Amino acid sequence: EPEVTQTPSHQVTQMGQEVILRCVPISNHLYFYWYRQILGQKVEFLVSFYNNEISEKSEIFDDQFSVERPDGSNFTLKIRSTKLEDSAMYFCASTVQGASAVQEAFFGQGTRLTVV
Amino acid sequence: AQSVTQLGSHVSVSEGALVLLRCNYSSSVPPYLFWYVQYPNQGLQLLLKYTTGATLVKGINGFEAEFKKSETSFHLTKPSAHMSDAAEYFCAVSNTGGFKTIFGAGTRLFVKA
Repeated sequence: EPEVTQTPSHQVTQMGQEVILRCVPISNHLYFYWYRQILGQKVEFLVSFYNNEISEKSEIFDDQFSVERPDGSNFTLKIRSTKLEDSAMYFCASTVQGASAVQEAFFGQGTRLTVV
Repeated sequence: AQSVTQLGSHVSVSEGALVLLRCNYSSSVPPYLFWYVQYPNQGLQLLLKYTTGATLVKGINGFEAEFKKSETSFHLTKPSAHMSDAAEYFCAVSNTGGFKTIFGAGTRLFVKA
């Protein structure tokens, strides 16, 4: 069964460092997403991406965050200068279509980011 | 704007008892509703979804949910809890705009032997 894969599963970084979280969405999917879950809290939408540009972003997704689809398969989330409060589980998701279709998002297993 | 409210951050049931996890939604357009399950240290797995048509939706692991438009609810039930059902459950809403899924705060289900 096709699945969304994320690497690494765990990442520890020092405050102020840049991190890149990587995702390989399901191959025929067109819409890509990043979500964040701070420990013990709800899953929060960060950003959606389609046709090589951001479709929508939340208030959380500030100038420290960026997304990119550098090639035909990977979808990355970059945090330029990490803060302690960026520590969370980051989920990548993808869907086949966007507007006018029911969206079941397929989620990856997540990357646990710990900023120390 | 869409939102989801899950009543009860923790629910505890005995093995074999009925599971009822409550979810209410707010949406200005016809919603699409989902329940996801998250086992410890794992990702999100879709349990079931409501799109259109039959309001009683059956999912995996014996779970089902009923869409009640008049009550703006989408409660999740299972007739008989199993120890393996212990997990965090998230109700979520989307729509035909489809660019994002909005999650509730989650309900942690504990199953007692």
